[in-house]
Amino acid sequence: QKEVEQNSGPLSVPEGAIASLNCTYSDRGSQSFFWYRQYSGKSPELIMSIYSNGDKEDGRFTAQLNKASQYVSLLIRDSQPSDSATYLCAVTREGRRALTFGSGTRLQVQP
Amino acid sequence: GAGVSQTPSNKVTEKGKYVELRCDPISGHTALYWYRQSLGQGPEFLIYFQGTGAADDSGLPNDRFFAVRPEGSVSTLKIQRTERGDSAVYLCASSLSGNGADTQYFGPGTRLTVL
Repeated sequence: QKEVEQNSGPLSVPEGAIASLNCTYSDRGSQSFFWYRQYSGKSPELIMSIYSNGDKEDGRFTAQLNKASQYVSLLIRDSQPSDSATYLCAVTREGRRALTFGSGTRLQVQP
Repeated sequence: GAGVSQTPSNKVTEKGKYVELRCDPISGHTALYWYRQSLGQGPEFLIYFQGTGAADDSGLPNDRFFAVRPEGSVSTLKIQRTERGDSAVYLCASSLSGNGADTQYFGPGTRLTVL
């Protein structure tokens, strides 16, 4: 079992819709959770970070964390074609600074 | 200010050769990380520096890989006797401190191709 699992996609949504991206993790010691966006041929850039159970909103993005279910999600409201990218879920665990990434979900927003 | 920079952007080498990849972190960032990313995969951790010392090198795949950060700023990842399986994008990231909650900022990467 991979430490961080994501559906590879592609997830295709129409412009203006809500895109829902999901991630599960296996290590209950995971403490910090991150969503990175990666455009093709570019490096990852941070979209959201979340550290405690519940929702965290930033503009069109909402991250949701449920530690009991070991589940993190990212909602993108009013999806735009420019949101088309691969979204990487990453976690750090207690005592370790390195990020452990999932394989990413490719999102396609259709105009 | 400037972000993380990496040189070269592309490196093509032959199997068995030695390569060095350079990372210049964001000024003032004490923590520096190396990852590598293969096609269709997320970045995979290699090594983490806090200041000049390697605080965690558990991700280095074997002893052909080595990294240094002698003055606590620029870091060099060194790969000896390269193999075709080493072909990947090597990403460097830096963060303000070594706190696990800190944002890691990634450089543009070095695409290594071993022929």
